[in-house]
Amino acid sequence: QKEVEQNSGPLSVPEGAIASLNCTYSDRGSQSFFWYRQYSGKSPELIMFIYSNGDKEDGRFTAQLNKASQYVSLLIRDSQPSDSATYLCAGLSGYSTLTFGKGTMLLVSP
Amino acid sequence: DGGITQSPKYLFRKEGQNVTLSCEQNLNHDAMYWYRQDPGQGLRLIYYSQIVNDFQKGDIAEGYSVSREKKESFPLTVTSAQKNPTAFYLCASSPLGQGDNEQFFGPGTRLTVL
Repeated sequence: QKEVEQNSGPLSVPEGAIASLNCTYSDRGSQSFFWYRQYSGKSPELIMFIYSNGDKEDGRFTAQLNKASQYVSLLIRDSQPSDSATYLCAGLSGYSTLTFGKGTMLLVSP
Repeated sequence: DGGITQSPKYLFRKEGQNVTLSCEQNLNHDAMYWYRQDPGQGLRLIYYSQIVNDFQKGDIAEGYSVSREKKESFPLTVTSAQKNPTAFYLCASSPLGQGDNEQFFGPGTRLTVL
């Protein structure tokens, strides 16, 4: 059974701080990982993906992947109140299907 | 504009009725997906299709049916056999390939059983 685990939160950080969101996965065959942001009542939107061990940076966002530890993380620097949302981690296994975690709610206070 | 459209945005169904949710994409993507999301839960895969006239069951296919007669369209029917259909339904599409098969989501349909 493929599983992706996330702490449901909420994770509360003050404006300007670094938010760290974590995800673990059970399927060693997972090739790529995706972070989606979902505002309440809306559909998920892709923030970034990563498929190589190490870090990948895009603006204020950094994704980290450690395949040996089966661990993925997303760092958000200079957090803003507009970053308050649920963040979904998903792993790609096989050819095209994603397995999603339940998401972590992030609250950024002004 | 390229994208994925879903209709209706809100849908109310009486118990025992079948309802069909529409999903259309003009991104020329080969693969399309249907997910269900319950409050406080992640997305669970209902069905997916990688090519016209072919589709596969996901993790929770019971009580649902799909068709893929055109590349652009992947409608989902929620049948009366689905015992707890109230949920947020999301359609997605992606190009096929290796590695970065990112999925793009439509705006969703919120189904409520009365």
